[in-house]
Amino acid sequence: DIQMTQSPSSLSASVGDRVTITCRASQTINTYLNWYQQKSGKAPKLLIYAASTLHSGVPSRFSGSGSGTDFTLTISSLQSEDFATYYCQQTYSPPKTFGQGTKLQI
Amino acid sequence: QVQLVESGGGLVKPGGSLRLSCAASGFTFSDYYMSWIRQTPGKGLEWISYISGSGTTIYYADSVKGRFTISRDNAKNSLYLQMNRLRADDTAVYYCAKVGATGDFDYWGQGTLVTVSS
Repeated sequence: DIQMTQSPSSLSASVGDRVTITCRASQTINTYLNWYQQKSGKAPKLLIYAASTLHSGVPSRFSGSGSGTDFTLTISSLQSEDFATYYCQQTYSPPKTFGQGTKLQI
Repeated sequence: QVQLVESGGGLVKPGGSLRLSCAASGFTFSDYYMSWIRQTPGKGLEWISYISGSGTTIYYADSVKGRFTISRDNAKNSLYLQMNRLRADDTAVYYCAKVGATGDFDYWGQGTLVTVSS
């Protein structure tokens, strides 16, 4: 199975900050990498697919980059509604594994 | 708009069975792969199964293979997960999700809680 490792596991930041979360795959996954946002008690929501493509309706302050084994999610200017847990996921091969999550808090 | 609504969760004893359903609307259901994903506090998000639009291609995670069966009824725009021989570590919130063009999960239901306990 492909292991996905996110860092950091938690992150404290302030409104207006620029934040970067990283995700590393245990083997190459090309750009089959997605990012999800989950708020407490809610289902995850897709933010970015194919490493860098914004899902419909996602604000442009979110961006993704990377290929191969190393990927990043960047939020250019944090808004209050962005405080949540973020997960990466590979869809290169089954099982479609997720990272352990990064909790972004104030 | 795309809407996915799960149902069927609840409390079941170890070794028991449960059938989850997911009602889909807002898209041409038969055109898309669908998937089940579960989430526990301890293990995080775990993909467990997906099924092609026609139902002919199916994958399972090793953790559920041989115990869970995914199926769909395109006439009813519904996805199912039959869960047999349930164990305590199957306790989780179960989500259904629509699979997007690159295998991403582009829309999720609200989830249904399954608790396996005596």
